[in-house]
Amino acid sequence: NAGVTQTPKFQVLKTGQSMTLQCAQDMNHNSMYWYRQDPGMGLRLIYYSASEGTTDKGEVPNGYNVSRLNKREFSLRLESAAPSQTSVYFCASSEAPGDPYGYTFGSGTRLTVV
Amino acid sequence: AQSVAQPEDQVNVAEGNPLTVKCTYSVSGNPYLFWYVQYPNRGLQFLLKYITGDNLVKGSYGFEAEFNKSQTSFHLKKPSALVSDSALYFCAVRSNQAGTALIFGKGTTLSVSS
Repeated sequence: NAGVTQTPKFQVLKTGQSMTLQCAQDMNHNSMYWYRQDPGMGLRLIYYSASEGTTDKGEVPNGYNVSRLNKREFSLRLESAAPSQTSVYFCASSEAPGDPYGYTFGSGTRLTVV
Repeated sequence: AQSVAQPEDQVNVAEGNPLTVKCTYSVSGNPYLFWYVQYPNRGLQFLLKYITGDNLVKGSYGFEAEFNKSQTSFHLKKPSALVSDSALYFCAVRSNQAGTALIFGKGTTLSVSS
């Protein structure tokens, strides 16, 4: 089925470890996004990529880096994980930066940092 | 700056009764407004959107929302609630200006009792 695929679905890290969350979409969308979801905080935008070759910071970018590898893939990297980064991470995509359509979301990555 | 407020953390209704989940927003320019639903351990699913036109928007699963520009609100409604409607609901907004990303509210948990 067409959509947004995130890997892994679950991950436990030790403080200071690094990891990359992967996201791929097969809908030929131009724009991709990374959000984190925390209880009582809703979804907060970490980074987004309006189009291939561009990335921009969102509301909570500190501690993260992103790479728009190609049109399909947008990865999120934690260089030195901290317990405050324990969260559920969602990747999303949309057709274009200025389009009026909603986003398609992946099923999420549940990350625990101990 | 864009912002979304969902003033109620939780809404409780009895099955068969009408339900309302409230949302107010602040955005530069004209707003694109969305409602998403999240079931436990799942990603977000699109319910409905307002882009332009009629203030009353109809969406999936019998939900509708009313755009009120003067009150900057976009409340989600359903005439007759079902137990299966119990979930976490997110309101989201973005400006119609190119390059902006969706900003989400903190979410409202809807609990429908039988």
